[in-house]
Amino acid sequence: DQQVKQNSPSLSVQEGRISILNCDYTNSMFDYFLWYKKYPAEGPTFLISISSIKDKNEDGRFTVFLNKSAKHLSLHIVPSQPGDSAVYFCAADLFGNEKLTFGTGTRLTIIP
Amino acid sequence: NAGVMQNPRHLVRRRGQEARLRCSPMKGHSHVYWYRQLPEEGLKFMVYLQKENIIDESGMPKERFSAEFPKEGPSILRIQQVVRGDSAAYFCASSRGQGGQPQHFGDGTRLSIL
Repeated sequence: DQQVKQNSPSLSVQEGRISILNCDYTNSMFDYFLWYKKYPAEGPTFLISISSIKDKNEDGRFTVFLNKSAKHLSLHIVPSQPGDSAVYFCAADLFGNEKLTFGTGTRLTIIP
Repeated sequence: NAGVMQNPRHLVRRRGQEARLRCSPMKGHSHVYWYRQLPEEGLKFMVYLQKENIIDESGMPKERFSAEFPKEGPSILRIQQVVRGDSAAYFCASSRGQGGQPQHFGDGTRLSIL
């Protein structure tokens, strides 16, 4: 039962343009969401999070949007840079549960 | 380096041997989590520990796998009598465990079973 889904295995974006990565979830009890970036042979690096009381959180070039009614969140990266090329995972949790459920990841490639 | 430290980075075992994976949490973090990633899949939760306590082991296989986080020293994930299907990347994460705090990950141990 895949409770967190990233339906696009890969995405290519021109340098300087906006990258939009999408994530859907099925468990309406999830109330805390995170995005991680992962390079090969390294661990996931935390990027940004959002709790269900908000619909948007912004940190520099990264913005996460949450649509609770659609059970959908997205990560916007603008402007995209070559160093953003990596696999991006979204993850979800019940507040205080401390047990992240991950999607399968989207490989983002930034084209110079 | 104040990050989450995992060792070894790579571990090769023959079927039937034991594998021990170690994790030292980030400074100031008292909560440790273990995840497993199979090829082309996302990370799957295995176990959540605090010092000397297992909080949630709902993701641990019922047999051969165990975890501990002693009062002193790193957290250990132990796999007894390894089989080929145990080949995976095992990631450890830590946090302050205060709710709404992100988990920070180590670079993982890649376990290969011959």
